[in-house]
Amino acid sequence: TAGITQAPTSQILAAGRSMTLRCTQDMRHNAMYWYRQDLGLGLRLIHYSNTAGTTGKGEVPDGYSVSRANTDDFPLTLASAVPSQTSVYFCASSDGRTSTDTQYFGPGTRLTVL
Amino acid sequence: GQNIDQPTEMTATEGAIVQINCTYQTSGFNGLFWYQQHAGEAPTFLSYNVLDGLEEKGRFSSFLSRSKGYSYLLLKELQMKDSASYLCAVSDSNYQLIWGAGTKLIIKP
Repeated sequence: TAGITQAPTSQILAAGRSMTLRCTQDMRHNAMYWYRQDLGLGLRLIHYSNTAGTTGKGEVPDGYSVSRANTDDFPLTLASAVPSQTSVYFCASSDGRTSTDTQYFGPGTRLTVL
Repeated sequence: GQNIDQPTEMTATEGAIVQINCTYQTSGFNGLFWYQQHAGEAPTFLSYNVLDGLEEKGRFSSFLSRSKGYSYLLLKELQMKDSASYLCAVSDSNYQLIWGAGTKLIIKP
């Protein structure tokens, strides 16, 4: 089983350009999450989805949007990238049947905005 | 505000025991997680505590005191492969995970 895959692995993006980070899971998990991880800071939640068709804002949602058209995919879009969005982005999923399910993480996307 | 505190870095010797502490102040509490993250990789689940006391899982144990807002991760018989960052995370009143910045553990031979 692949678990969670993310694409691309890394990307250099010019400021002002848009980009979509892809995330796919094959565990049939209900809940999915996007985090960013910056040096010296804990993982910060950007957006989440408790089930297909629903999304919610996390701690740092500004400048990002998500969609959840089906169970498996949860893309994250940066409409107009800024240098402060340089970070490592992790997608995660959990079963979602109980409120304290373990989250499983994808390998991450390293994004540099210049 | 919500806050999770962990030491930034710790050093230990191969074969020894190390304790990584985590203190938290959150709006509500629905459990505490420990994750391991090797450099350049994704976090992976280690343990979950929701009741006070010690949970043992092989070489790793995790302790929780809800009244003190305190947890620790105990690693025994340290191996070089244990060199990693250890992340503490608390599930708050909205069941969102609040993450500490992580403790980088360096193992020396």
